[in-house]
Amino acid sequence: EVQLVQSGAEVKKPGESLKISCKGSGYSFTTYWIAWVRQMPGKGLEWMGIIYPGDSDTRYSPSFQGQVTISADKSSSTAFLQWSSVKASDTAMYYCARSAVLGATGSYFDPWGQGTLVTVSS
Amino acid sequence: DIQMTQSPSSLSASVGDRVTITCRASQGISNYLAWYQQKPGKVPKLLIYAASTLQSGVPSRFSGSGSGTDFTLTISSLQPEDVATYYCQKYNSVPLTFGPGTKVDIK
Repeated sequence: EVQLVQSGAEVKKPGESLKISCKGSGYSFTTYWIAWVRQMPGKGLEWMGIIYPGDSDTRYSPSFQGQVTISADKSSSTAFLQWSSVKASDTAMYYCARSAVLGATGSYFDPWGQGTLVTVSS
Repeated sequence: DIQMTQSPSSLSASVGDRVTITCRASQGISNYLAWYQQKPGKVPKLLIYAASTLQSGVPSRFSGSGSGTDFTLTISSLQPEDVATYYCQKYNSVPLTFGPGTKVDIK
């Protein structure tokens, strides 16, 4: 079974660093792009960026470029989303999702991880 | 970048009604469009890809159509379990933008 399992909920103070993870299993991790999607409380889905774990080729949404870093570790089949300094406005649910088409940057997403809730509050 | 819009933003319909949601791209995207369903408190679920191909396991009351800039998602007979927010997503090229969503509930 293809599965993405995300790390647990995080509570951070403004200015702290944060790294959340998404572990893939049941497929060849290096040959499918993995995306990150933000959902702020009560709001819609926002595509943040995408990484190809095979060579770490990464593309960002203009809205998130420079605000977050997406990375991947082939050895552990895990993708990461990190912040150097979180803000209250980063409070949201974050989902990882796998591109459904082998090797394609442009693809719909299936499956999705269960989500990681990030809360930033002083 | 291509912008995605959806209409209506919300709707309320009776069980058994036919429901249609529209998604529009600001430029042509051929048929590179997917639809997702997100039930309250749940993970988004892929319903349709390539504008009209039903994902395995999705009930046949869901259908999609369109190409270019205008797309529709239709629920032929609304069921109580269809209460959710529906999102379109373009995937012809990055950024892989989602539409703002359409919230569907039961009248």
